[in-house]
Amino acid sequence: NAGVMQNPRHLVRRRGQEARLRCSPMKGHSHVYWYRQLPEEGLKFMVYLQKENIIDESGMPKERFSAEFPKEGPSILRIQQVVRGDSAAYFCASSPRRDRVETQYFGPGTRLLVL
Amino acid sequence: AQSVAQPEDQVNVAEGNPLTVKCTYSVSGNPYLFWYVQYPNRGLQFLLKYITGDNLVKGSYGFEAEFNKSQTSFHLKKPSALVSDSALYFCAVSPIWGTGTASKLTFGTGTRLQVTL
Repeated sequence: NAGVMQNPRHLVRRRGQEARLRCSPMKGHSHVYWYRQLPEEGLKFMVYLQKENIIDESGMPKERFSAEFPKEGPSILRIQQVVRGDSAAYFCASSPRRDRVETQYFGPGTRLLVL
Repeated sequence: AQSVAQPEDQVNVAEGNPLTVKCTYSVSGNPYLFWYVQYPNRGLQFLLKYITGDNLVKGSYGFEAEFNKSQTSFHLKKPSALVSDSALYFCAVSPIWGTGTASKLTFGTGTRLQVTL
Protein backbone atom coordinates (compact mmCIF):
# COMPACT_ATOMS: atom_id res chain seq x y z
CA ASN A 1 0.00 0.00 0.00
CA ALA A 2 1.69 3.16 -1.19
CA GLY A 3 1.98 5.99 1.28
CA VAL A 4 0.99 9.59 0.81
CA MET A 5 2.49 10.90 -2.42
CA GLN A 6 3.49 14.49 -3.00
CA ASN A 7 4.90 16.12 -6.08
CA PRO A 8 7.01 17.80 -6.94
CA ARG A 9 9.47 17.15 -4.14
CA HIS A 10 11.29 20.38 -4.87
CA LEU A 11 9.90 23.45 -6.58
CA VAL A 12 11.68 26.68 -7.46
CA ARG A 13 9.68 29.73 -8.40
CA ARG A 14 10.47 33.39 -8.98
CA ARG A 15 8.54 36.05 -7.14
CA GLY A 16 5.16 36.62 -8.74
CA GLN A 17 4.85 33.16 -10.26
CA GLU A 18 2.32 30.52 -9.26
CA ALA A 19 3.11 27.34 -7.34
CA ARG A 20 0.97 24.20 -7.54
CA LEU A 21 1.60 21.44 -5.03
CA ARG A 22 -0.04 18.06 -5.44
CA CYS A 23 -0.96 15.44 -2.88
CA SER A 24 -2.33 11.95 -3.46
CA PRO A 25 -3.62 10.44 -0.21
CA MET A 26 -3.11 6.87 0.83
CA LYS A 27 -5.48 4.37 -0.74
CA GLY A 28 -8.78 4.38 1.11
CA HIS A 29 -8.18 7.77 2.71
CA SER A 30 -10.70 10.48 1.97
CA HIS A 31 -9.42 13.24 4.25
CA VAL A 32 -6.46 15.46 3.45
CA TYR A 33 -4.61 18.02 5.56
CA TRP A 34 -2.01 20.55 4.48
CA TYR A 35 0.69 21.86 6.81
CA ARG A 36 3.53 24.32 6.32
CA GLN A 37 6.93 24.04 7.98
CA LEU A 38 9.17 27.08 8.03
CA PRO A 39 12.89 26.53 8.63
CA GLU A 40 13.66 25.45 12.18
CA GLU A 41 9.99 25.52 13.15
CA GLY A 42 7.22 23.03 13.75
CA LEU A 43 4.42 22.32 11.34
CA LYS A 44 1.52 24.78 11.14
CA PHE A 45 -1.92 23.64 10.05
CA MET A 46 -3.25 25.26 6.90
CA VAL A 47 -6.35 23.47 5.64
CA TYR A 48 -8.40 20.29 6.04
CA LEU A 49 -10.34 18.90 3.10
CA GLN A 50 -12.62 16.05 2.31
CA LYS A 51 -13.52 15.08 -1.23
CA GLU A 52 -15.02 18.19 -2.87
CA ASN A 53 -15.33 19.97 0.50
CA ILE A 54 -13.19 22.30 2.57
CA ILE A 55 -13.79 21.34 6.20
CA ASP A 56 -11.47 23.78 7.98
CA GLU A 57 -9.36 26.49 6.36
CA SER A 58 -8.60 28.44 9.50
CA GLY A 59 -4.84 28.22 8.91
CA MET A 60 -4.85 29.43 5.33
CA PRO A 61 -3.58 32.93 4.57
CA LYS A 62 -6.47 35.07 3.42
CA GLU A 63 -4.92 35.93 0.08
CA ARG A 64 -3.05 34.09 -2.66
CA PHE A 65 -3.53 30.62 -1.15
CA SER A 66 -6.22 28.14 -2.14
CA ALA A 67 -6.76 24.41 -1.86
CA GLU A 68 -9.01 21.84 -3.45
CA PHE A 69 -9.62 18.12 -3.31
CA PRO A 70 -11.70 17.16 -6.34
CA LYS A 71 -13.78 14.05 -6.70
CA GLU A 72 -11.14 12.61 -8.99
CA GLY A 73 -7.44 13.28 -8.77
CA PRO A 74 -5.06 14.64 -6.17
CA SER A 75 -5.49 17.47 -3.74
CA ILE A 76 -3.93 20.71 -4.95
CA LEU A 77 -2.47 23.53 -2.86
CA ARG A 78 -2.14 26.60 -5.04
CA ILE A 79 -0.10 29.67 -4.20
CA GLN A 80 -0.52 32.63 -6.51
CA GLN A 81 2.02 35.43 -6.92
CA VAL A 82 4.55 33.79 -4.63
CA VAL A 83 6.78 35.87 -2.38
CA ARG A 84 10.04 34.96 -0.66
CA GLY A 85 8.21 34.39 2.62
CA ASP A 86 6.34 31.48 1.03
CA SER A 87 9.59 29.50 0.93
CA ALA A 88 8.95 26.51 3.17
CA ALA A 89 8.28 22.81 3.22
CA TYR A 90 4.64 21.97 2.58
CA PHE A 91 3.42 18.66 3.91
CA CYS A 92 0.26 16.82 3.12
CA ALA A 93 -1.29 14.23 5.42
CA SER A 94 -4.22 11.91 4.96
CA SER A 95 -6.53 9.89 7.19
CA PRO A 96 -9.34 7.42 6.52
CA ARG A 97 -12.31 9.25 8.04
CA ARG A 98 -13.32 11.63 10.77
CA ASP A 99 -15.76 9.65 12.82
CA ARG A 100 -13.07 8.66 15.26
CA VAL A 101 -9.52 9.63 16.08
CA GLU A 102 -7.63 8.55 13.03
CA THR A 103 -3.90 8.90 12.69
CA GLN A 104 -2.71 11.33 10.05
CA TYR A 105 -0.06 9.89 7.75
CA PHE A 106 2.32 12.36 6.17
CA GLY A 107 3.84 12.59 2.74
CA PRO A 108 7.51 13.44 2.08
CA GLY A 109 6.72 17.11 1.51
CA THR A 110 7.30 19.65 -1.22
CA ARG A 111 10.11 22.10 -0.60
CA LEU A 112 9.29 25.41 -2.21
CA LEU A 113 12.02 27.94 -2.82
CA VAL A 114 11.06 31.39 -4.02
CA LEU A 115 13.86 33.36 -5.61
CA ALA B 1 -7.05 27.30 21.64
CA GLN B 2 -4.74 24.35 22.12
CA SER B 3 -0.96 24.54 22.34
CA VAL B 4 2.04 22.27 22.78
CA ALA B 5 5.37 23.06 24.40
CA GLN B 6 8.58 21.15 23.89
CA PRO B 7 10.93 22.87 26.33
CA GLU B 8 14.15 21.38 25.01
CA ASP B 9 15.52 22.28 21.61
CA GLN B 10 17.99 19.42 21.79
CA VAL B 11 18.50 16.31 23.88
CA ASN B 12 21.82 14.51 23.92
CA VAL B 13 22.13 10.93 25.12
CA ALA B 14 24.67 8.15 24.84
CA GLU B 15 23.71 4.98 23.02
CA GLY B 16 22.32 2.40 25.39
CA ASN B 17 21.11 4.97 27.89
CA PRO B 18 17.43 5.76 28.46
CA LEU B 19 16.03 8.83 26.76
CA THR B 20 13.20 11.21 27.51
CA VAL B 21 11.82 13.92 25.25
CA LYS B 22 9.47 16.25 27.08
CA CYS B 23 6.10 17.58 25.97
CA THR B 24 3.43 19.55 27.77
CA TYR B 25 0.11 20.60 26.35
CA SER B 26 -2.78 22.94 26.87
CA VAL B 27 -6.24 22.08 25.56
CA SER B 28 -9.85 22.44 26.61
CA GLY B 29 -11.25 19.12 27.67
CA ASN B 30 -9.58 15.80 27.04
CA PRO B 31 -6.68 15.77 24.59
CA TYR B 32 -5.70 13.48 21.81
CA LEU B 33 -1.87 13.42 21.80
CA PHE B 34 0.61 12.23 19.21
CA TRP B 35 4.35 11.81 18.68
CA TYR B 36 5.96 11.98 15.26
CA VAL B 37 9.59 11.68 14.16
CA GLN B 38 11.18 13.49 11.23
CA TYR B 39 14.42 12.45 9.57
CA PRO B 40 16.35 14.96 7.43
CA ASN B 41 14.50 15.98 4.26
CA ARG B 42 11.73 13.52 4.99
CA GLY B 43 8.12 13.69 6.05
CA LEU B 44 6.86 12.91 9.52
CA GLN B 45 6.55 9.33 10.64
CA PHE B 46 3.90 8.40 13.20
CA LEU B 47 5.27 6.90 16.43
CA LEU B 48 2.34 6.65 18.82
CA LYS B 49 -0.84 8.27 20.06
CA TYR B 50 -2.88 8.62 23.23
CA ILE B 51 -6.65 8.59 22.96
CA THR B 52 -7.95 7.20 26.21
CA GLY B 53 -7.31 4.36 28.60
CA ASP B 54 -3.90 3.24 29.84
CA ASN B 55 -1.63 6.19 30.55
CA LEU B 56 1.40 4.35 29.15
CA VAL B 57 1.27 4.10 25.39
CA LYS B 58 3.61 1.86 23.42
CA GLY B 59 4.57 2.73 19.88
CA SER B 60 6.95 1.99 17.05
CA TYR B 61 10.70 1.29 17.32
CA GLY B 62 10.56 0.66 21.06
CA PHE B 63 9.26 4.11 21.97
CA GLU B 64 6.61 4.72 24.59
CA ALA B 65 4.97 7.76 26.11
CA GLU B 66 3.34 8.45 29.42
CA PHE B 67 0.22 10.58 29.66
CA ASN B 68 0.00 12.56 32.90
CA LYS B 69 -3.23 14.50 33.17
CA SER B 70 -2.36 16.37 36.37
CA GLN B 71 0.89 17.63 34.90
CA THR B 72 -0.57 18.00 31.38
CA SER B 73 2.42 16.14 30.01
CA PHE B 74 3.05 13.47 27.41
CA HIS B 75 6.77 12.68 27.56
CA LEU B 76 8.34 10.35 25.02
CA LYS B 77 10.64 7.66 26.38
CA LYS B 78 12.82 4.79 25.29
CA PRO B 79 14.69 2.48 27.66
CA SER B 80 17.81 2.15 25.49
CA ALA B 81 18.69 4.71 22.82
CA LEU B 82 20.21 3.87 19.45
CA VAL B 83 22.33 6.08 17.22
CA SER B 84 19.68 5.57 14.54
CA ASP B 85 17.13 7.28 16.82
CA SER B 86 18.85 10.60 16.13
CA ALA B 87 16.19 12.77 14.50
CA LEU B 88 13.71 15.58 15.12
CA TYR B 89 10.77 14.67 17.32
CA PHE B 90 7.44 16.46 17.35
CA CYS B 91 4.65 16.29 19.89
CA ALA B 92 1.16 17.21 18.66
CA VAL B 93 -2.31 17.66 20.11
CA SER B 94 -5.66 17.44 18.42
CA PRO B 95 -8.80 19.20 19.54
CA ILE B 96 -11.92 17.19 20.03
CA TRP B 97 -14.96 18.19 18.03
CA GLY B 98 -18.39 17.93 19.51
CA THR B 99 -18.81 14.44 18.15
CA GLY B 100 -15.52 13.30 19.60
CA THR B 101 -13.64 13.38 16.33
CA ALA B 102 -10.24 14.83 15.76
CA SER B 103 -9.04 17.14 13.05
CA LYS B 104 -6.10 19.46 12.70
CA LEU B 105 -2.94 18.83 14.67
CA THR B 106 -1.16 21.52 16.64
CA PHE B 107 2.55 20.78 16.79
CA GLY B 108 5.29 21.71 19.19
CA THR B 109 8.46 23.28 17.83
CA GLY B 110 10.32 20.01 17.89
CA THR B 111 13.19 18.51 19.86
CA ARG B 112 16.33 17.34 18.17
CA LEU B 113 17.56 14.07 19.63
CA GLN B 114 21.26 13.33 19.24
CA VAL B 115 22.41 9.85 20.24
CA THR B 116 26.16 9.31 20.33
CA LEU B 117 28.35 6.25 20.71
